[in-house]
Amino acid sequence: NAGVTQTPKFQVLKTGQSMTLQCAQDMNHNSMYWYRQDPGMGLRLIYYSASEGTTDKGEVPNGYNVSRLNKREFSLRLESAAPSQTSVYFCASSTFLQQNTEAFFGQGTRLTVV
Amino acid sequence: DAKTTQPNSMESNEEEPVHLPCNHSTISGTDYIHWYRQLPSQGPEYVIHGLTSNVNNRMASLAIAEDRKSSTLILHRATLRDAAVYYCILSSGNNNDMRFGAGTRLTVKP
Repeated sequence: NAGVTQTPKFQVLKTGQSMTLQCAQDMNHNSMYWYRQDPGMGLRLIYYSASEGTTDKGEVPNGYNVSRLNKREFSLRLESAAPSQTSVYFCASSTFLQQNTEAFFGQGTRLTVV
Repeated sequence: DAKTTQPNSMESNEEEPVHLPCNHSTISGTDYIHWYRQLPSQGPEYVIHGLTSNVNNRMASLAIAEDRKSSTLILHRATLRDAAVYYCILSSGNNNDMRFGAGTRLTVKP
């Protein structure tokens, strides 16, 4: 049981380049989330998907797009990377009624934009 | 969205109990209180959650005030491995997002 898997683990981009961060979960969870964590800071919610086919903005959605490809996969795309997007990105998943359950997190993708 | 307030940092000695406080004065009746922790260079991991009653599990205990405006995470015997940032989060009753604050950085001294 792999849980939540993120790829890649590390990435360096040049300003203006695009890339997609991949996230997959094998726990049959309905809800998935993307967070970013800047050095010394807490996590901030970028986008989330309450269920397959739906996505919603979180606290800091600007500069990002997401796709809930199917129930297992939730990708995060940076269309034109900027140095301000240098951060560690975490994907998480939980069951639909997440109020009364726990979320599981991936190990993170460390992104540097130069 | 309901907010939480936690101290920035706390220290504890190894093998002593630790009480991590969280204030959430604007909590709504349907909000659950969740605690997560983040070890260095790792993703957050679930610790415990509750609604109204105190909760215990293998990792910790959660004490919830009668008015639900505050809660305390209790680690009964801190170990060096418990050194982490601890986040207190309220799950929104109206939607499905989950928002973290800055958390409390716990240092455990040998």
